[in-house]
Amino acid sequence: DAKTTQPPSMDCAEGRAANLPCNHSTISGNEYVYWYRQIHSQGPQYIIHGLKNNETNEMASLIITEDRKSSTLILPHATLRDTAVYYCIVRVAGYGGSQGNLIFGKGTKLSVKP
Amino acid sequence: KAGVTQTPRYLIKTRGQQVTLSCSPISGHRSVSWYQQTPGQGLQFLFEYFSETQRNKGNFPGRFSGRQFSNSRSEMNVSTLELGDSALYLCASSRAAGGVNNEQFFGPGTRLTVL
Repeated sequence: DAKTTQPPSMDCAEGRAANLPCNHSTISGNEYVYWYRQIHSQGPQYIIHGLKNNETNEMASLIITEDRKSSTLILPHATLRDTAVYYCIVRVAGYGGSQGNLIFGKGTKLSVKP
Repeated sequence: KAGVTQTPRYLIKTRGQQVTLSCSPISGHRSVSWYQQTPGQGLQFLFEYFSETQRNKGNFPGRFSGRQFSNSRSEMNVSTLELGDSALYLCASSRAAGGVNNEQFFGPGTRLTVL
C-alpha cells in the first residue's frame, strides 16, 4: 500500500503558484520523497525528489518539513499544461530487492483554470 | 535522446487469448519495470528486470510474466486473458535497479482491451 496521503483534487488559477501537499507520517529515515505527475493518457513523468532538504529544479520546488512527516510540491507559475494527476511517493533509494519499485497512491488531480 | 517506446500502442483481444507487449528502454538504461493502470486499482507494479534477471515481482497471478533481453529490451506476456486485464500497461526504464538519483522514465503505454 502507498505510504502517502494526498487530497484527491485541487484547483489553481493559471499563473499562480500551485501548492500540492502530501502527508507521509510513517516515513523512515532512509526513505526519500519522490513526485511524479501523469498528464491524461500519458505515462507518468518524474518531477523532483528529496530526503530532508528543500529541493528545486526547473520544474518545481519541494519543501519537506523538519520532522519529514509531510511535504509540499510547489509549481511556481502554473500553466494549463500543468493540469495532471500528481503522485507523491515514498521509497527507499537503495539498491536491490524492491527498492527500485514505485508504489503509487491515488494522487491529487490538479486542475489549472484560466 | 529517444524516450521509452512501447509497442503496440493499442490492442484488442478476446478472453482466453494471450498477448505480448514490448518495451524498448532509453539507450544506456538497464532496468525495466512494468506497471498496470486501471481506473479501479490505479497504478500497480508488475515486475522489474535488470540485466536480464527479474529482481522483483508485484502481487499479480502467474498469468503475467516477462523477460528482458541482452539489449535491455523487455517483453511482458499475459496468458489466458480475462476481462479484468483490460488496462493501460506502462513500461519504465532507469539506469539501474534502485539508487537515489535514478528516476524512472515512463513510456506512453499500451492500451489493452479484452472483449
